[in-house]
Amino acid sequence: GQNIDQPTEMTATEGAIVQINCTYQTSGFNGLFWYQQHAGEAPTFLSYNVLDGLEEKGRFSSFLSRSKGYSYLLLKELQMKDSASYLCAVWSRNGQNFVFGPGTRLSVLP
Amino acid sequence: DVKVTQSSRYLVKRTGEKVFLECVQDMDHENMFWYRQDPGLGLRLIYFSYDVKMKEKGDIPEGYSVSREKKERFSLILESASTNQTSMYLCASSLEGATNEKLFFGSGTQLSVL
Repeated sequence: GQNIDQPTEMTATEGAIVQINCTYQTSGFNGLFWYQQHAGEAPTFLSYNVLDGLEEKGRFSSFLSRSKGYSYLLLKELQMKDSASYLCAVWSRNGQNFVFGPGTRLSVLP
Repeated sequence: DVKVTQSSRYLVKRTGEKVFLECVQDMDHENMFWYRQDPGLGLRLIYFSYDVKMKEKGDIPEGYSVSREKKERFSLILESASTNQTSMYLCASSLEGATNEKLFFGSGTQLSVL
């Protein structure tokens, strides 16, 4: 089967660092994606990992371990505008489509 | 930037009605997808298409059909709407053959079936 797991909700303080974890079990793997979705808006692409290791892009970083079926999204210097849902998705070549996790709703408090 | 446009932001229909959700993308993408998004369940794939007149079932195709007569347009059809089809519907497109085939999403259609 195919399954992606993420925490449902997280809360953090403005200026802090938060790590959102994602574990996956999929038939086939061709990359892991993180998307950000503000309430009432479309998801937008944040990051992509296909090899093990850390990808850094400004305040956001994403890590992948294929052997462990594990990824995390790291958000530094949190801002109020980072309050959103963060979606983990795996591109599964065997299934020829993306499998999405349930999303993690992050609330950034002042 | 890629633009994916969904024809309606909000839609209210009655049980048994035939419903058309339209999606148009302007970047000549080969791949187009229809998802529904429900709280706690994430995005679930209904149908996708990799080429004109081509369609493939996703994870939850029951009660839905699709049409792709032109490359830029992908339509989702609810043949006879039911209350359990009340949901947010998201259309997406991606470029075939890209090293990271990220999805570009439309703004979504919130469908309520009464």
